Amino acid sequence: SAVISQKPSRDICQRGTSLTIQCQVDSQVTMMFWYRQQPGQSLTLIATANQGSEATYESGFVIDKFPISRPNLTFSTLTVSNMSPEDSSIYLCSVGEAGGDTQYFGPGTRLTVL
Amino acid sequence: EDQVTQSPEALRLQEGESSSLNCSYTVSGLRGLFWYRQDPGKGPEFLFTLYSAGEEKEKERLKATLTKKESFLHITAPKPEDSATYLCAVPPGGGADGLTFGKGTHLIIQP
Repeated sequence: SAVISQKPSRDICQRGTSLTIQCQVDSQVTMMFWYRQQPGQSLTLIATANQGSEATYESGFVIDKFPISRPNLTFSTLTVSNMSPEDSSIYLCSVGEAGGDTQYFGPGTRLTVL
Repeated sequence: EDQVTQSPEALRLQEGESSSLNCSYTVSGLRGLFWYRQDPGKGPEFLFTLYSAGEEKEKERLKATLTKKESFLHITAPKPEDSATYLCAVPPGGGADGLTFGKGTHLIIQP
């Protein structure tokens, strides 16, 4: 399975600021995904990031709030923009191939917004 | 609408006390059912993928089974290190990408 790293591992941010989270994979992958895990909750898919095309966002998530980049097959970033305390969550990236293939997850970024 | 429901929400067992966790799902055109283990402060760790009813997979003290409506994760003679949150997930219906997760079962194994 792929080895996935995320930066930063955690951060504390002020309301109204933005944070960019990086996801790096040790091998080329077709699809990368971004999930949010709110405190005490399960994972919710934010968007799918494909190299060479715009990210596909799930209902309830918009590009202006969560812009995503996917410049190559091993790297992606998620920006959380104009943060509020409600954005305090763990943000996770995962990788997989299309369809029902297994997804492997990074260690997550724990974000606290004050 | 796709739905994944896990039960119980929490389970406390004594070391060596076997039990089962349940994951019931509603999705059009199942393309796989995934089990993950998540430790506090970490990302989910992949355990199993099941694709068709009747399929079973084992790993150490864990065995996952699948029917047309639900999956079970059986834990045999658990140890304290098996304590974690166990998540199940399915790809959404209609061929969309990503995974729809259940809320998980928080398992505690007491020595």
